[in-house]
Amino acid sequence: QKEVEQDPGPLSVPEGAIVSLNCTYSNSAFQYFMWYRQYSRKGPELLMYTYSSGNKEDGRFTAQVDKSSKYISLFIRDSQPSDSATYLCAMRAGGYNKLIFGAGTRLAVHP
Amino acid sequence: GAVVSQHPSWVICKSGTSVKIECRSLDFQATTMFWYRQFPKQSLMLMATSNEGSKATYEQGVEKDKFLINHASLTLSTLTVTSAHPEDSSFYICSARTSATNTGELFFGEGSRLTVL
Repeated sequence: QKEVEQDPGPLSVPEGAIVSLNCTYSNSAFQYFMWYRQYSRKGPELLMYTYSSGNKEDGRFTAQVDKSSKYISLFIRDSQPSDSATYLCAMRAGGYNKLIFGAGTRLAVHP
Repeated sequence: GAVVSQHPSWVICKSGTSVKIECRSLDFQATTMFWYRQFPKQSLMLMATSNEGSKATYEQGVEKDKFLINHASLTLSTLTVTSAHPEDSSFYICSARTSATNTGELFFGEGSRLTVL
């Protein structure tokens, strides 16, 4: 079993839809949770960063962490074609432990 | 966010030659840099952790003699793929963590696409 599970998709939605992206994990020591967006042939860009459980909102993006269920989510409201990319969840334990990435979910938002 | 620059963004080389990829932190000092490899439609695979002034720590299965990593300063790490072969063709991405924070945020470079003929 992988430490971080993420459905690779692809996920296709119409413009304006609410998108829900999810990851599950098995390591209860994970404390820091991140979502990265990666456009084709580019490096990942940090979108959201959350410590421990709770919600965090930034514009159209909301990140949720449920440590009791070992489940994290990223919601995108009013999705735009420019949101079409691969979304990677990543997480790590405390200190300087390495990041563990999910497989990435490919999202396509069509006009 | 912090800026990480990677160069070259793409390179084509002949089999048997060596290729060097540079990773620079432009507006912060990075005591730790990470090198990843990414195959098409797959996630990032950590290759090694590079600490300024010391030897890199390689992940299991990564050949340290093939993928030479040097982190000579707080703003520069290099990855050299020695005696490259077609199976080394991949997207290589570096990332850096600032020395001033332990929050875990990593900033990534734009990636370098290597094609070995």
